[in-house]
Amino acid sequence: AQSVAQPEDQVNVAEGNPLTVKCTYSVSGNPYLFWYVQYPNRGLQFLLKYITGDNLVKGSYGFEAEFNKSQTSFHLKKPSALVSDSALYFCAVRGNSGNTPLVFGKGTRLSVIA
Amino acid sequence: EPEVTQTPSHQVTQMGQEVILRCVPISNHLYFYWYRQILGQKVEFLVSFYNNEISEKSEIFDDQFSVERPDGSNFTLKIRSTKLEDSAMYFCASTTDRRNEQFFGPGTRLTVL
Repeated sequence: AQSVAQPEDQVNVAEGNPLTVKCTYSVSGNPYLFWYVQYPNRGLQFLLKYITGDNLVKGSYGFEAEFNKSQTSFHLKKPSALVSDSALYFCAVRGNSGNTPLVFGKGTRLSVIA
Repeated sequence: EPEVTQTPSHQVTQMGQEVILRCVPISNHLYFYWYRQILGQKVEFLVSFYNNEISEKSEIFDDQFSVERPDGSNFTLKIRSTKLEDSAMYFCASTTDRRNEQFFGPGTRLTVL
């Protein structure tokens, strides 16, 4: 069965500092990996994805993530955090066969402090 | 930029009543989904829909739930007899291809009293 682990409920970082939000996954076959962000009272917004190719993927708002197959990880990173990055971040995975659904992690709340 | 829309934004209902949550996916998308998020918990998959039929459903999606695409633009989720535990935020999503990212609507907050 597919699963996603986001080990941190909360990440606090000072504005201007680099941030990392961790994600590990378990899936049969090759994974399709996604990061979404949720602002208060809003839906999920797509940030970036890994399907195939370069392990380092770049997405919206200066975010990037690195796919590490040996560690089954897909950590979200940003070199310099902004206060406006404060939100709830979800990692999601699906397998590459059939109609396997998208499975989400429990989310990590990022707080960027000025 | 096209977006997924959902109505209503908030629905309050009495236990045992039927509710219909409505979604308008992005017009050229082919795959449609419903998810729910109980307050403070993770987003959970309910059902996927393609080519006018359910392609996958979770254990949550029991006989009380049904989906329909009645007119080629709307995509609805019906809960036949709501329970207290159905209270959650319900998100609709759509995509052009199941390998691609899904685009989510703003959600409908369902409160069952």
